[in-house]
Amino acid sequence: QKEVEQDPGPLSVPEGAIVSLNCTYSNSAFQYFMWYRQYSRKGPELLMYTYSSGNKEDGRFTAQVDKSSKYISLFIRDSQPSDSATYLCAMKRTGRRALTFGSGTRLQVQP
Amino acid sequence: EAQVTQNPRYLITVTGKKLTVTCSQNMNHEYMSWYRQDPGLGLRQIYYSMNVEVTDKGDVPEGYKVSRKEKRNFPLILESPSPNQTSLYFCASSPGTENTIYFGEGSWLTVV
Repeated sequence: QKEVEQDPGPLSVPEGAIVSLNCTYSNSAFQYFMWYRQYSRKGPELLMYTYSSGNKEDGRFTAQVDKSSKYISLFIRDSQPSDSATYLCAMKRTGRRALTFGSGTRLQVQP
Repeated sequence: EAQVTQNPRYLITVTGKKLTVTCSQNMNHEYMSWYRQDPGLGLRQIYYSMNVEVTDKGDVPEGYKVSRKEKRNFPLILESPSPNQTSLYFCASSPGTENTIYFGEGSWLTVV
C-alpha cells in the first residue's frame, strides 16, 4: 500500500467551477503538507504549504489538513483554463528531508 | 532569475552506455536532490545532498550515483543504464528546509 494515495483523474470541470483535490495518507508521522502544480513538460512548482492540521488560504487556493482523518484537500475557486495541470500532494516527516509525493491528479478546466 | 538547470532535457541511449545528467542551481542552496517521476508512482527521491561532499541515498538509489564537488552542481550518473531507468528525472534544490523546493524543468531519459 502506498503511503500517499491520490486519485489520478482526469478531473474535468467547466470554467468558474470550484475544484476539490484530495489526498489520503497512512503515516501519522507526516507533519508538513504541500501542494505542487505541474504543467505538461515542466517541473513541479510549490502552490501551498501547511504545517499540521488547519486551513490556509492564498488567493483562489485553500489548503486543508485533517490529521485525525489523514486527509488533505486543495480547493480552487473560480477555476480558470490556466489552472489545467497535474496537482501533486506531498508530505514530510519532522526530521526527515525527503518529501513523499502522491501520484498526482490531472485537472482540466474547460473554457 | 532563480533557476535549477538540467541538461540534457531529452536523451535516448542504449543499455549499458554510461551517461550523466547535469544539474546546476544559482540560488546558493545547500540542499539538492534528484527525483524520478513515473506514471502512477509519483515523484520518488533517488539521492540527496546536504552540502558539498555530503550525499545520501533516497528511496530508489539503485543504479545511480551522484557527486557534489561544488555547491551549485549535483550531477546524476547512470553507470550502466537499463530500460527500467527510462523515466522523467527532476533535479531540485532547497535553501535548507524541505518544504520550499525548487525543481528543474526535467530530463526525459529513454534507455533502449
